[in-house]
Amino acid sequence: DTGVSQNPRHKITKRGQNVTFRCDPISEHNRLYWYRQTLGQGPEFLTYFQNEAQLEKSRLLSDRFSAERPKGSFSTLEIQRTEQGDSAMYLCASSTRDRVTEAFFGQGTRLTVV
Amino acid sequence: DAKTTQPTSMDCAEGRAANLPCNHSTISGNEYVYWYRQIHSQGPQYIIHGLKNNETNEMASLIITEDRKSSTLILPHATLRDTAVYYCIVREGTSGTYKYIFGTGTRLKVLA
Repeated sequence: DTGVSQNPRHKITKRGQNVTFRCDPISEHNRLYWYRQTLGQGPEFLTYFQNEAQLEKSRLLSDRFSAERPKGSFSTLEIQRTEQGDSAMYLCASSTRDRVTEAFFGQGTRLTVV
Repeated sequence: DAKTTQPTSMDCAEGRAANLPCNHSTISGNEYVYWYRQIHSQGPQYIIHGLKNNETNEMASLIITEDRKSSTLILPHATLRDTAVYYCIVREGTSGTYKYIFGTGTRLKVLA
């Protein structure tokens, strides 16, 4: 499967714990996006990378959230001191750097904070 | 905030055409309209995009009005598997970010 891969698919954690999610984009896709989606809402933009550079962060990305893409390939999203409000689906997408292009989404990581 | 408005929900009979409207009255001249859909518990799936001409691919057709203030996604022969939330997106971008801003979409239910 050469699509966007996200791991784990599901994560249950206790409040206050740290969690890390991984996204493997489609090979040679320069751009990588992270989104968060809560029940009944559309995906909300969190942050965006072009190669290893994090070019934009949403105000939704509090200081407990950090994302990295160290070698311009896979990316990680870490949430520190999780709160129940962090429970959501976290989606990753990737695209080429062409101006007119579509982004391809992974299946997401569903986080439940108990 | 999303730059598009869509009806919250629609029903369509199986085998009939599903026409999903979208308003994007503030679209600028170089912004494209994208459509994605999301089937329950899956990631969004790209359908089609366009600038000002009508577009067609194996999944759907996209009709954009001449003033570009609205568009319609057409699924020519809807099947039960087309039941999903459909998102119309005007792709924003300055300095090359081109992020996709989703609204709440249209929940399409295809009825047998």
